[in-house]
Amino acid sequence: EVVLTQSPATLSLSPGERATLSCRASQSLSTYLAWFQQKRGQAPRLLIYDVSKRATGIPARFSGSGSETDFTLTISSLEPEDSAVYYCQQRSGPGGFTFGPGTKVDL
Amino acid sequence: EVQLLESGGGLIQPGGSLRLSCAASGFTFNTYAMTWVRQAPGKGLEWVSGISGSGESTYYADSAKGRFTVSRDSSKNTVYLHMNSLRVEDTAVYYCARVVPTYYTSHTDPWGQGTLVTVSS
Repeated sequence: EVVLTQSPATLSLSPGERATLSCRASQSLSTYLAWFQQKRGQAPRLLIYDVSKRATGIPARFSGSGSETDFTLTISSLEPEDSAVYYCQQRSGPGGFTFGPGTKVDL
Repeated sequence: EVQLLESGGGLIQPGGSLRLSCAASGFTFNTYAMTWVRQAPGKGLEWVSGISGSGESTYYADSAKGRFTVSRDSSKNTVYLHMNSLRVEDTAVYYCARVVPTYYTSHTDPWGQGTLVTVSS
């Protein structure tokens, strides 16, 4: 079973700054990854899938990269509304998914 | 517009049963697998269960095996999660999500708004 680890746990930045969030997989069973944004009291929203593809309606300041076991979500210039918890996700076994513990972005 | 709407949550005593529903609209329901993910208060996301588009294949996390049953009704465009022998640690917001396949893998999009299950005496 793949375990996803995210770092840092919390990122405190100012609007306009660049945010770099990391997700590391314990093994390279699936080389593809998705990223989600969850604001307080809301359901998770898909940002990035297949490592680097932006979901519909997601601003260009969000980008994903990485391969094998190391993946990165970059927010190029933070906006106030980007305050949220960000989760990475991979397929895990037949029919299942695994999630990272999340990175909280505080603005 | 693709929409998912969960219902059926509430306060239940330990050992009790509950059935969650997820009504889907805006897409061809029986061509997509569906999944349930939960989030305990203040915690992260935990995958619970999944079901294929045909309903023939079902999948469970270890925490759900033997207690939860996932099913779907294509005539109602609805997926269900039947939960038995509920424990305090099952307290969480339960989300349903559509499973979207890509060439090599799949991801979950969109998610419903969630329904809160509270297991307490």
